[in-house]
Amino acid sequence: QSALTQPRSVSGSPGQSVTISCTGTSSDVGGYNYVSWYQQHPGKVPKLIIYDVTKRPSGVPDRFSGSKSGNTASLTISGLQADDDGDYYCCSYAGNPWVFGGGTKVTVL
Amino acid sequence: QLQLQESGPGLVKPSETLSLTCTVSGGSITSGYYWAWIRQPPGKGLEWIGEIYHSGSAYYSPYLTSRVTISVDMSKNQFSLKLRSVTAADTAVYYCHRRTVNSSFRDYWGRGTLVTVSS
Repeated sequence: QSALTQPRSVSGSPGQSVTISCTGTSSDVGGYNYVSWYQQHPGKVPKLIIYDVTKRPSGVPDRFSGSKSGNTASLTISGLQADDDGDYYCCSYAGNPWVFGGGTKVTVL
Repeated sequence: QLQLQESGPGLVKPSETLSLTCTVSGGSITSGYYWAWIRQPPGKGLEWIGEIYHSGSAYYSPYLTSRVTISVDMSKNQFSLKLRSVTAADTAVYYCHRRTVNSSFRDYWGRGTLVTVSS
């Protein structure tokens, strides 16, 4: 069982928006602004798309945005594209260790 | 351009020690970052194993701390992972990567290496 709770799957049509939640506790998500999100395609290395709750690494489109409210962080993908199909993982600092969510499968219909 | 590359045996017997090395090229391992390991069992999610600063300060997952050691070899620009008393549950793709201090920014990753625990 993962420390952070994510929905198993979300789906949307091209052009739509989807939001993935990541629920933790005051000891991890709620306690630190060190939430990150990763996109992973089958057989590939996880790709960082959001770090420190809201920041985007260079090269990541602004269609990806992150936020946090209390013990829940969220990743929103706007203008869904076919290439967004994949697995998404949240990660949070928990006062050492770092903890991950179980992952969410995003399906572009 | 910084590059990280994992190396080590792809097959380890149960009860033995898994040993992996991550070689850093294109930059110095003493440059003020954390150097870390994450793993992913086949078909499952990501799990943080631990990380180390070039000074030698290391932090480990509480679930693995009794079996894991991460070390740095500055002369070779490498850091290593040792996981003792492995079982089939330790079968996974192991990724090394770099994390920025005081941030969740993990920018450079190795390609990952599959380690299978089997007799």
